[in-house]
Amino acid sequence: GQNIDQPTEMTATEGAIVQINCTYQTSGFNGLFWYQQHAGEAPTFLSYNVLDGLEEKGRFSSFLSRSKGYSYLLLKELQMKDSASYLCAVNGGDYKLSFGAGTTVTVRA
Amino acid sequence: IAGITQAPTSQILAAGRRMTLRCTQDMRHNAMYWYRQDLGLGLRLIHYSNTAGTTGKGEVPDGYSVSRANTDDFPLTLASAVPSQTSVYFCASSDGTSGANEQFFGPGTRLTVL
Repeated sequence: GQNIDQPTEMTATEGAIVQINCTYQTSGFNGLFWYQQHAGEAPTFLSYNVLDGLEEKGRFSSFLSRSKGYSYLLLKELQMKDSASYLCAVNGGDYKLSFGAGTTVTVRA
Repeated sequence: IAGITQAPTSQILAAGRRMTLRCTQDMRHNAMYWYRQDLGLGLRLIHYSNTAGTTGKGEVPDGYSVSRANTDDFPLTLASAVPSQTSVYFCASSDGTSGANEQFFGPGTRLTVL
């Protein structure tokens, strides 16, 4: 089976940094994804990690440690528009993704 | 650029009725997926199709069926709806030949079964 854990909620101040952790235990591994989902909208792709290390993309960075079954998404210089749910998803092979329940980030002024 | 479209946007359905949710993509992606999203549970895979003509069961397939007659369309059918199928349904597609396998999501269908 697949087990993907991430915190339910996080709150941070505009301009600050927030780190969303994700731990996983899956039967296979072919990469880890982060998606952003604003309320009432579809998820949209943020990042993909398949090798250990940090991937940086503008204000967002994602880190992966395969040996620890661990990833984090780092959001820097937080803006009000970053208030959303962030979904961690693991590709366990065969092009299927298993999703965590999502972390709701609230950015306060 | 349309990407993935879903219909209807929302629907209220009486229990026991049959319902088909439609999904169409114009990206020529090989793989397509149906998820349901419930509060606190995240996205759960219902059925998937790696290529036209083939389908497979996901994590929560009971009460649902799919077909993949061509590359573009992937309808999801509830043969006899029950209140526990009240959810938001997302269709997604991906280029199955890509290692990164990014999935693109449709706008969703909000279904209420009474």
